[in-house]
Amino acid sequence: QVQLKESGPGLVQPSETLSLTCTVSGFSLTSYSVSWVRQPSGKGPEWMGRMWYDGDTAYNSALKSRLSISRDTSKNQVFLKMNSLQTDDTGTYYCTRDPLLGFDYWGQGVMVTVSS
Amino acid sequence: DIRMTQSPASLSASLGETVNIECLASEDIYSDLAWYQQKPGKSPQLLIYNANSLQNGVPSRFSGSGSGTQYSLKINSLQSEDVATYFCQQYNNYPYTFGAGTKLELK
Repeated sequence: QVQLKESGPGLVQPSETLSLTCTVSGFSLTSYSVSWVRQPSGKGPEWMGRMWYDGDTAYNSALKSRLSISRDTSKNQVFLKMNSLQTDDTGTYYCTRDPLLGFDYWGQGVMVTVSS
Repeated sequence: DIRMTQSPASLSASLGETVNIECLASEDIYSDLAWYQQKPGKSPQLLIYNANSLQNGVPSRFSGSGSGTQYSLKINSLQSEDVATYFCQQYNNYPYTFGAGTKLELK
C-alpha cells in the first residue's frame, strides 16, 4: 500500500537550516510527483514545492529563495532543505503524493518548532 | 497568487442534516479544485478532485460541484464521523493555494 513518512528534527534554531526526509513506499518516484505541504497550527495548509516524477522541481515563489527539494530514487526518498528559518516557519510539515489532481496520500507529518 | 475564500469559517449542524461549504477563487481555476477533510491531530484526506470527482473510498454522501470561481462541497445525511475541518485547494496555477478551512461541529 502507498505510504509516505517524514523524518527530521523537531526543533530548529532561528536562522538555521531545516532538513527533512520523506521516505515513500507502494509507488515509484519516477511515476508520481511528491509535494511538500506545511501547516501552521490552527491554520490552512501551504504548498511549498514539488519534485516532479521526471526529476524537475517547482517551488512556491514565497519560499523559492530559501527552499530546495531533491530526491534519491534508489532509496525512495525525497528531501526538503529550507534555510534561514524564522518563528513563523513553525508548523507541521507533510510530504504528499501528488498525481496533479490534488494530493491523494499524505504522510503523518512532522512537527517542526523554530525556537532558541 | 490565487486567493481561496471559504465560507462559513465554522458551522454547526445536526446528525442527518445536509451541509454545504463554499469556496470562492479570486480568478477562474477551471475546476482544478480539491476538497480535503482533516480530523484533529490527523493529516488531511482527499475527498474530491476536479471539483466533482469522488476520491476512491470516500462515502457517496460527499459531493462537489461548481465551475469558474465558485465551488461547493455538500455532505448529505451528516454522520458523527464527519466532524472535522474541511479545506479547498486549487491546483490550476502556481503556487497551489488552500482555503483557511471550515470547522464543522455537531449541534
